[in-house]
Amino acid sequence: QVQLVESGGDVVQPGRSLRLSCAVSGLTFSSYGFHWVRQGPGKGLEWVTVISNDGSNKYYADSVKGRFTISRDNSKNTLYLQMNSLRAEDTAVYYCARSYCSNGKCIFDYWGQGTLVTVSS
Amino acid sequence: EIVMTQSPATLSVSPGERATLSCRASQSVSSNLAWYQQKPGQAPRLLIYGASTRATDVPARFSGSGSGTEFTLTISSLQSEDSAVYYCQQYNNWPPYTFGQGTKLEIK
Repeated sequence: QVQLVESGGDVVQPGRSLRLSCAVSGLTFSSYGFHWVRQGPGKGLEWVTVISNDGSNKYYADSVKGRFTISRDNSKNTLYLQMNSLRAEDTAVYYCARSYCSNGKCIFDYWGQGTLVTVSS
Repeated sequence: EIVMTQSPATLSVSPGERATLSCRASQSVSSNLAWYQQKPGQAPRLLIYGASTRATDVPARFSGSGSGTEFTLTISSLQSEDSAVYYCQQYNNWPPYTFGQGTKLEIK
């Protein structure tokens, strides 16, 4: 079955960096784009970033542009999120999700269980 | 950026009754609208896409309707396991993909 497993969440101080990983199995990783979506404590869902299947196209939410970088390693079936210059407002559970697209319209059909990032001094 | 607005914020419905959740987009998203269910401590689960197509293994009591800017998720004959927060999301104009703020469904 399809599995997405995030890891790397931690408690970090403001201004520091952290890298999240999402290990994917049960599907042909290199055929799909993937998203990161986050959810602050007691809050709703916020889309963060997406990467195309070959890594050539990446898009970011304005709230993280210039600070976060999405990447992937198709040889390892793994998605990454490099988070720099972290702020308190980046505190959230971070989910990875598969992007299933038809004619450029993409739904988020498989999700990981999430990993918690806490930014605090 | 397209703003998604859900109503009501909280809905309390008795088992066996029908629940109707609404979602409005600030501009047309055609039928590119999805609904997700999220239970406490769990990841979101895709319920509906294309405004009205049920995802795999989603029970038939869940149905979606609408197009353009007005959408509805209907849950007929509510069961206790339907207690959750439900989010709508547009994927017509991106980036960014945008979600509504959620409707918390409580079973009386």
